[in-house]
Amino acid sequence: GDSVTQTEGQVALSEEDFLTIHCNYSASGYPALFWYVQYPGEGPQFLFRASRDKEKGSSRGFEATYDKGTTSFHLRKASVQESDSAVYYCALNTGNYKYVFGAGTRLKVIA
Amino acid sequence: DAGVTQTPRHEVAEKGQTIILKCEPVSGHNDLFWYRQTKIQGLELLSYFRSKSLMEDGGAFKDRFKAEMLNSSFSTLKIQPTEPKDSAVYLCASSFRQGENQAPLFGEGTRLSVL
Repeated sequence: GDSVTQTEGQVALSEEDFLTIHCNYSASGYPALFWYVQYPGEGPQFLFRASRDKEKGSSRGFEATYDKGTTSFHLRKASVQESDSAVYYCALNTGNYKYVFGAGTRLKVIA
Repeated sequence: DAGVTQTPRHEVAEKGQTIILKCEPVSGHNDLFWYRQTKIQGLELLSYFRSKSLMEDGGAFKDRFKAEMLNSSFSTLKIQPTEPKDSAVYLCASSFRQGENQAPLFGEGTRLSVL
């Protein structure tokens, strides 16, 4: 079946560090890919999506590029802030109603 | 624009009770989802409605979990009877069916504790 793998369970950074959270997927079709962020006590918030190879999604300083060759959609941000501390989820959808979410990556940014 | 609204935010139930969680989707969205979120299992799909029709009834969850969508702007999730293992965050999400704007938007969730 379809799956999403987020390599890092936790990431700890200092403010202004560069962030990379790795996301790799396995899908039978040509999926749309998504990133969500979840703050404590809230539901996941949609960040952005991409649906074609080489398409870049971006929002709030975060970005990721759809790479069909490496089946990846890595999340990046040039300079993180303490307020970016949250759990980040990568997800895919192959056109039906089932969204497959990764296990999440907890980001802690130290001021 | 109003997002997905879930009530209550917190619910405490005794084992064996019946509880009903409520959800108001984003106006104009035609897909509605109920998920359960736990640290161990992550996000698990409970139910899915397409234009108010139930398309996914939860598989392993169907014996005690029942989701309904009475109209396009209101859905409920009933758990009957509750068990301690049901303690989790229950999330409702809605989205457009297709197109470039298709992405589930989540409510803030209901945190359920079953004693």
